[in-house]
Amino acid sequence: QKEVEQNSGPLSVPEGAIASLNCTYSDRGSQSFFWYRQYSGKSPELIMFIYSNGDKEDGRFTAQLNKASQYVSLLIRDSQPSDSATYLCAVYFGNEKLTFGTGTRLTIIP
Amino acid sequence: KAGVTQTPRYLIKTRGQQVTLSCSPISGHRSVSWYQQTPGQGLQFLFEYFSETQRNKGNFPGRFSGRQFSNSRSEMNVSTLELGDSALYLCASSLGGEPYFGPGTRLLVL
Repeated sequence: QKEVEQNSGPLSVPEGAIASLNCTYSDRGSQSFFWYRQYSGKSPELIMFIYSNGDKEDGRFTAQLNKASQYVSLLIRDSQPSDSATYLCAVYFGNEKLTFGTGTRLTIIP
Repeated sequence: KAGVTQTPRYLIKTRGQQVTLSCSPISGHRSVSWYQQTPGQGLQFLFEYFSETQRNKGNFPGRFSGRQFSNSRSEMNVSTLELGDSALYLCASSLGGEPYFGPGTRLLVL
């Protein structure tokens, strides 16, 4: 059973601080990794994707991938109240089936 | 560019009925996937279509079916509805890389 694991939270971070979200996955052969943000009652919104080891930055967001440790993380710098949402980690396992973690609920405290 | 659209947005059905949900992918996207999201089970993969062919299927009973048309639009059907089918049904389209979600159809089975 291919799995993606996330800490469900809630994770509380003061406004302006760095929020760090973590995800581990079970299949060492996985090649594609995604972070989605989901506001309550809305659909998931793609905010980052990463395919290679290392860091990928986009604005206030940085995705970090370590394939040897089977670990992918998302850093949100200068956290804003609008960042309060559930963050879903998703991994493509070999057969093109996108598997999601259960999500981490993030709350930014003003 | 227009995003993924799903119709209807909300639906109320009774047990035993059947329902058809529709998804129009982003223009040019040929891959369409369907997911079920519930508070207890999270986001679960239903099936994926590419060029009118089902490429992958999740672990759902045969009551859940789908199809894709030549214009890449997709439909999913649930027959003999059960109370447990109440969920947010999400469609995602991709060009072969990152999946983008539509707004979802919220189905309530009474």
